[in-house]
Amino acid sequence: RKEVEQDPGPFNVPEGATVAFNCTYSNSASQSFFWYRQDCRKEPKLLMSVYSSGNEDGRFTAQLNRASQYISLLIRDSKLSDSATYLCGADTGRRALTFGSGTRLQVQP
Amino acid sequence: NAGVTQTPKFQVLKTGQSMTLQCAQDMNHNSMYWYRQDPGMGLRLIYYSASEGTTDKGEVPNGYNVSRLNKREFSLRLESAAPSQTSVYFCAGGQGGNTEAFFGQGTRLTVV
Repeated sequence: RKEVEQDPGPFNVPEGATVAFNCTYSNSASQSFFWYRQDCRKEPKLLMSVYSSGNEDGRFTAQLNRASQYISLLIRDSKLSDSATYLCGADTGRRALTFGSGTRLQVQP
Repeated sequence: NAGVTQTPKFQVLKTGQSMTLQCAQDMNHNSMYWYRQDPGMGLRLIYYSASEGTTDKGEVPNGYNVSRLNKREFSLRLESAAPSQTSVYFCAGGQGGNTEAFFGQGTRLTVV
């Protein structure tokens, strides 16, 4: 089992929709989690940090469920510009983050 | 403030050739990382450096060497390139394993 797993998608949603992705992690000792956005042929860019119960930034909400060992990213009122791949990164006890393979989101007009 | 800068951005190598990927950061990060990204595989850690003068292997270190020249610079060397090393390479900087990492723009490497 991979240490950090994501549904690759794609998630195809209409503009204005609410969409949520999950990211599961296997190391119960993980403390820090991050969501990154990656556009095609670009570098990953930090979207949100999730250190405890959750985090909210405008239309984006990240939640942590320690009991079930997953984090989620909720995007409300989806925009065309939200189309991208969303990567989940987790602290797995090494000195560097471990990443999932990413979830692709396509917002359609 | 350039953040994390990688050179070159694109490279084509022949099998057996060597090359060094350069990375520099001006964010005063203690830690630096090299990842590779392949379709369907996500980002996989090659090597990391927790501080100047130290380096450690990550998940996929075979075929690579690194050098943390100083706090700013962390280079990745391929001694004898193989087609399996065709990938996109990202350098990143951060303050440690449980904190966020900031990525450079990537190097697209093709080995033929």
